[in-house]
Amino acid sequence: DAGVIQSPRHEVTEMGQEVTLRCKPISGHDYLFWYRQTMMRGLELLIYFNNNVPIDDSGMPEDRFSAKMPNASFSTLKIQPSEPRDSAVYFCASRIRDEKLFFGSGTQLSVL
Amino acid sequence: GNSVTQMEGPVTLSEEAFLTINCTYTATGYPSLFWYVQYPGEGLQLLLKATKADDKGSNKGFEATYRKETTSFHLEKGSVQVSDSAVYFCALTVGSSASKIIFGSGTRLSIRP
Repeated sequence: DAGVIQSPRHEVTEMGQEVTLRCKPISGHDYLFWYRQTMMRGLELLIYFNNNVPIDDSGMPEDRFSAKMPNASFSTLKIQPSEPRDSAVYFCASRIRDEKLFFGSGTQLSVL
Repeated sequence: GNSVTQMEGPVTLSEEAFLTINCTYTATGYPSLFWYVQYPGEGLQLLLKATKADDKGSNKGFEATYRKETTSFHLEKGSVQVSDSAVYFCALTVGSSASKIIFGSGTRLSIRP
């Protein structure tokens, strides 16, 4: 298996633009997590899904952020409109049941 | 609530030195405890874990013992290598489903040759 695949690897955009981050979890995994990593706040859980259903989105910063999982092999995290303070590395991770978490390589987002 | 507190970094050591990175936790119930490692430019990966009190997790020369009496899970290695330079995260899960993984803030480790 190729592991958790995220795209794009890097994204540079201007303030006010819409940003869409994509994730393909490992096949067969039933949990999917979105994390954000910054120097100031460390690793923050934004939202997670179980069997494609959002379970806990309490970490989503505000209404500008939304996440979807239309099927077991794909998820998106969207920011609209983007702001400079959204600049961070965004990680997607997946796992099966309560076993270990597998992370993607992350998307480095820069909002100018 | 549930939380994890790690020693602040960065930690800089010489090769072959002894390493300790402190981690303490607060949890309702009986958590499982983990150490994850993040190498430059990569996502996190599981280093070791312990699921009950007095368990010792070990991998790649690293060890950590689940200490319920001190609510701690300190990471240790007897002789570090340059290749161990990375960011280390302590984490926990709580509950029967153990769905939500809570991470500490991470400790950056740099090893000098």
